[in-house]
Amino acid sequence: SQQGEEDPQALSIQEGENATMNCSYKTSINNLQWYRQNSGRGLVHLILIRSNEREKHSGRLRVTLDTSKKSSSLLITASRAADTASYFCATDDNYGQNFVFGPGTRLSVLP
Amino acid sequence: SAVISQKPSRDICQRGTSLTIQCQVDSQVTMMFWYRQQPGQSLTLIATANQGSEATYESGFVIDKFPISRPNLTFSTLTVSNMSPEDSSIYLCSVEEGAGSYEQYFGPGTRLTVT
Repeated sequence: SQQGEEDPQALSIQEGENATMNCSYKTSINNLQWYRQNSGRGLVHLILIRSNEREKHSGRLRVTLDTSKKSSSLLITASRAADTASYFCATDDNYGQNFVFGPGTRLSVLP
Repeated sequence: SAVISQKPSRDICQRGTSLTIQCQVDSQVTMMFWYRQQPGQSLTLIATANQGSEATYESGFVIDKFPISRPNLTFSTLTVSNMSPEDSSIYLCSVEEGAGSYEQYFGPGTRLTVT
């Protein structure tokens, strides 16, 4: 199975700055999803982007997908301390159902 | 989105025993999944729980160790059998929101510690 690989592993920024996290994968995908996990809490679904889409927005979140480079990015604009969490990308297998998670990016937003 | 609950939320168990984790969804869903998240790690898919048939296990996971039940479209259980300290993890169930949507939503997880 393939795996999304997030980059960087850890990111520390000041409140109000933008945070960009990247995800690369190895083989063709049908969909890619981004999740957030606050420390000791469950996963929260952020955005799903399909292979025929290039960009999606949700509030302060912007996700791009470049299938030619097999990569995706998650941009959080005007970050807040509450955005401090781990962010995971998940790519599906060829059957489009079983998602495989990357190791995650730990984002720290400092007040 | 579907509301997913899990029981227990956490447990401390002795090695050699078994624990059954329940996952309840407030709406009927076709696809349910079980994941494991070891300390400081990302998530790993254990199996897909199919209603009316045997679960489909991922490489490295076997039915004897992780038996799964899926008696209906809103409920599933995962049993962690003959536990060892290496089984200490968070176990999460997830559902696919809307058949064919590919959007997965997760329960709050069960934090298992094996001593």
